[in-house]
Amino acid sequence: QKEVEQNSGPLSVPEGAIASLNCTYSDRGSQSFFWYRQYSGKSPELIMSIYSNGDKEDGRFTAQLNKASQYVSLLIRDSQPSDSATYLCAVIPSGTYKYIFGTGTRLKVLA
Amino acid sequence: DGGITQSPKYLFRKEGQNVTLSCEQNLNHDAMYWYRQDPGQGLRLIYYSQIVNDFQKGDIAEGYSVSREKKESFPLTVTSAQKNPTAFYLCASSDGLLTGELFFGEGSRLTVL
Repeated sequence: QKEVEQNSGPLSVPEGAIASLNCTYSDRGSQSFFWYRQYSGKSPELIMSIYSNGDKEDGRFTAQLNKASQYVSLLIRDSQPSDSATYLCAVIPSGTYKYIFGTGTRLKVLA
Repeated sequence: DGGITQSPKYLFRKEGQNVTLSCEQNLNHDAMYWYRQDPGQGLRLIYYSQIVNDFQKGDIAEGYSVSREKKESFPLTVTSAQKNPTAFYLCASSDGLLTGELFFGEGSRLTVL
């Protein structure tokens, strides 16, 4: 069973701090990795996609991928109360079109 | 504007009734997906389709049916055989493995009375 694991949280950080969200995956051949933000009662919104080892930055968000350790993370700099949401990690395992989602980490940014 | 439209947003159903949830996309995406999300839970795949006139069962297909007669449309029918249908249903589409980025509609919330 191919899996994606996330700590359910909640992860609480003060406003202005860096929030670090982590995700591990079981299929070593996975090639595509995604982070989604989901506000309560709303649908997931794509924040970042990453395909190769290293860091990818987009505004206040940085995705980090380490395929050797089967680990992908999302850093949110200068966290704002509006960042409070559940963050879902998703992976496309090798040889499939099926996305595997983690159960999400709930982030709370305290004003 | 390009996007994915789901309807209805809220739906109430009596036990024993079939209901159909609509999903339309104008992103010219080949792949479309249906997910179910229960409170505090992750996304579970119901059905997916890579191309018109073809679809595959996901992890929880029992009690559901789909069709893919047009590239733009991927309706989901929740049948009376689905024992616990109250949930948040999400339709999504992607450009396949070009970027693999998956985009979601706003969701349909089904409540069985």
